Amino acid sequence: QKEVEQNSGPLSVPEGAIASLNCTYSDRGSQSFFWYRQYSGKSPELIMSIYSNGDKEDGRFTAQLNKASQYVSLLIRDSQPSDSATYLCAVNGGGASGTYKYIFGTGTRLKVLA
Amino acid sequence: EAQVTQNPRYLITVTGKKLTVTCSQNMNHEYMSWYRQDPGLGLRQIYYSMNVEVTDKGDVPEGYKVSRKEKRNFPLILESPSPNQTSLYFCASSFGVGAGELFFGEGSRLTVL
Repeated sequence: QKEVEQNSGPLSVPEGAIASLNCTYSDRGSQSFFWYRQYSGKSPELIMSIYSNGDKEDGRFTAQLNKASQYVSLLIRDSQPSDSATYLCAVNGGGASGTYKYIFGTGTRLKVLA
Repeated sequence: EAQVTQNPRYLITVTGKKLTVTCSQNMNHEYMSWYRQDPGLGLRQIYYSMNVEVTDKGDVPEGYKVSRKEKRNFPLILESPSPNQTSLYFCASSFGVGAGELFFGEGSRLTVL
């Protein structure tokens, strides 16, 4: 089992729709959770961080964390063609499991169709 | 401007010729790390450093060395590069150890012939 799992996609949504991206992780001691957006050939850039159970909203983006289910998701409302990119889920144990590694999923490719 | 700077951005080299990829950050971050990104495998951590003189292996450390003599710099050294080290490399830094976001450099695309 991979430590951080994401569906590779592509996930295609029409412009203006809600895109839902999902991520599961295996280490129950994980403390910090991040969503990064990466355009082809570019470096990842942070979209959202979340540390406690529940929802966190920032503009069109909402991150959801459920530690009991070891599940974190990202919702993108009113999707735009410029949102087309690969979205990376990242998890950090924060030392709780003896590691300070950031572990990334392989990413979900999102396509927003105009 | 707060940034992580990597050099070189592009490099083509031959098997066995030692090379160093430099990484420097100007944000006074404690944590620095190196990743390689390969198609279908995602971002994999090579080494990380929680502070000066403190480094630890990530998931794919074989064939790489690092050093952290100064807080701002974290070079990645390939003593004897091989073709399987052809990849896109990213340096990243963070204020906290696991508590904060990673700031990434622009990436270094390395080809080993």
